[in-house]
Amino acid sequence: DAGVTQSPTHLIKTRGQQVTLRCSPKSGHDTVSWYQQALGQGPQFIFQYYEEEERQRGNFPDRFSGHQFPNYSSELNVNALLLGDSALYLCASRETGRNEKLFFGSGTQLSVL
Amino acid sequence: RKEVEQDPGPFNVPEGATVAFNCTYSNSASQSFFWYRQDCRKEPKLLMSVYSSGNEDGRFTAQLNRASQYISLLIRDSKLSDSATYLCVVSLTGGGADGLTFGKGTHLIIQP
Repeated sequence: DAGVTQSPTHLIKTRGQQVTLRCSPKSGHDTVSWYQQALGQGPQFIFQYYEEEERQRGNFPDRFSGHQFPNYSSELNVNALLLGDSALYLCASRETGRNEKLFFGSGTQLSVL
Repeated sequence: RKEVEQDPGPFNVPEGATVAFNCTYSNSASQSFFWYRQDCRKEPKLLMSVYSSGNEDGRFTAQLNRASQYISLLIRDSKLSDSATYLCVVSLTGGGADGLTFGKGTHLIIQP
């Protein structure tokens, strides 16, 4: 049983570019959240998707957007990249109603030059 | 004031010792509390939930003090494999139903 999988594992972009990160939730999970973790910091909540809609959002600008597909997989899009967007982007999934069982993927390390 | 505050450490502790971490949270409406463990640049993994009555899982004991908005984690008989960053996490609702709020983490190094 595969856990949460994310792609790519590493990515290098330049300022102003756009990036798309992908996440497949753990089997049986229908809710996906995205977090940003800068070096030396704890993860920060970006947003959460359930039933293909954004349900909760953290304190991130509109440059950060997402999508959830009918198979529950999800994408995180970041437009107009800034140097400060360099971070580890973590996807987490859970089964609706199983709120404590949150599983994280191993993340995508994004470097913006 | 940060929402979840932890001492970043590092805590350097000899193998077999007992070590305790604390964290404080600012939002008194927080409902759910957790400790996550994160190894170097890997994903966080749930270590244990924290309940008002306190709870224990093997060598790990977690305590919650709602009045002081304070959470603690105690590790007894520490092992080399306990070396990691421990993240204090709170949620306004049943954990994970909304976004989790993480502290910066406390870095623990167990020395042989």
